[in-house]
Amino acid sequence: EVQLLESGGGLVQPGGSLRLSCAASGFTFSNYVMSWVRQAPGKGLEWVSVISVTGGTIYYADSVKGRFTISRDNSRNTVYLQMNRLRGEDTALYYCAKGGGAAMANWFDSWGQGTLVTVSS
Amino acid sequence: DIQMTQSPSSVSASVGDRVTITCRASQGISTWLAWYQQKPGKAPKLLIYTASTLQSGVPSRFSGSGSGTDFTLTISSLQPEDFATYYCQQANSSPLTFGGGTKVEIK
Repeated sequence: EVQLLESGGGLVQPGGSLRLSCAASGFTFSNYVMSWVRQAPGKGLEWVSVISVTGGTIYYADSVKGRFTISRDNSRNTVYLQMNRLRGEDTALYYCAKGGGAAMANWFDSWGQGTLVTVSS
Repeated sequence: DIQMTQSPSSVSASVGDRVTITCRASQGISTWLAWYQQKPGKAPKLLIYTASTLQSGVPSRFSGSGSGTDFTLTISSLQPEDFATYYCQQANSSPLTFGGGTKVEIK
């Protein structure tokens, strides 16, 4: 059974930083692209970033480009999201999502339960 | 960027009803489209990918169709557990984008 377990969320002041982690199990992690998708309270889904199977190709949403960094450690079956210069509009539940395959543009066939990031003073 | 527009934004229906949700892409995406179901307080769940392929374990009352720019999700006979919000997502190119969601409510 695929399991994705996010951690690292919390309350942070505007301009601050957080690092999210997503520990994966139940599948061959190094064969699949991984993404982060967020959902602001009461709002829809917004894709944030995707990382290729090797980590060599990465894409970001314009809203986070230059502030967020995605990475992965295939030896630890973990994907990360380093979030810097956080803003109020980054407040959201952040989901880790497994791609349907190795293609960068993909659907998401498994999701974690999410970790809440609140940016507020 | 490819914009995804869902309609309606909400629909009221009764158990047993046939429900159809539409998703339109701002440019052609072939069949690179997925549908998700999300219940309150839960993560989204993949229902359909490549426009019409049913994800393993998803009931056959769910079906998807379309190609190019126009897509539909159909629930043939609405069940109590189907009351939820549904999202489409294009998987053609980055940035990956979602529709705004359709909330299926009890009539």
